[in-house]
Amino acid sequence: DTEVTQTPKHLVMGMTNKKSLKCEQHMGHRAMYWYKQKAKKPPELMFVYSYEKLSINESVPSRFSPECPNSSLLNLHLHALQPEDSALYLCASSPPLRDSAFFGPGTRLTVL
Amino acid sequence: GDSVTQMEGPVTLSEEAFLTINCTYTATGYPSLFWYVQYPGEGLQLLLKATKADDKGSNKGFEATYRKETTSFHLEKGSVQVSDSAVYFCALNSEGGSEKLVFGKGTKLTVNP
Repeated sequence: DTEVTQTPKHLVMGMTNKKSLKCEQHMGHRAMYWYKQKAKKPPELMFVYSYEKLSINESVPSRFSPECPNSSLLNLHLHALQPEDSALYLCASSPPLRDSAFFGPGTRLTVL
Repeated sequence: GDSVTQMEGPVTLSEEAFLTINCTYTATGYPSLFWYVQYPGEGLQLLLKATKADDKGSNKGFEATYRKETTSFHLEKGSVQVSDSAVYFCALNSEGGSEKLVFGKGTKLTVNP
């Protein structure tokens, strides 16, 4: 299995909703990432988990809450989002030590 | 800090034309270098990579050579197809051990039949 899967593919939520994005990989990678990508922009790093511990938080607002329940799963919990948070949210994983990252197809999030 | 500069385009070519997308980087030490491709409505796919100076990455007819002396990693393809239409991102992962990918701004390529 050489892919990263993400669910849901699309999500529409109101500003008072709570929702979660899910990411899964079975490649044995020990680093997992959340990226946010706005239209016509490169991905922006949000969080990095290394060996199931949060190692990088790029000063992301607390309305985004990551969780890594085990080495194969990564969640992003969403609460009280703003319309400007609408974007494509990409999950990725990689082996250690600067090897290439594998990206999932993304979740297209719309906040109304 | 580390950075990647790539030609922003958009680039429009006819089928079978030669493609070059320039990418230069600023980093300390010897970063790993990557090209990713994003087709419309999809996530990023790794196209090719190089981890040390003078390495050549290649895949699907695309090539890029890690040039330490010019801090460059230009993407080339000898004959593009309509199916190559996508956004191409150059990226680096620095030597310091951080797991953070630094991306260029992306180059949109459109290939017309």
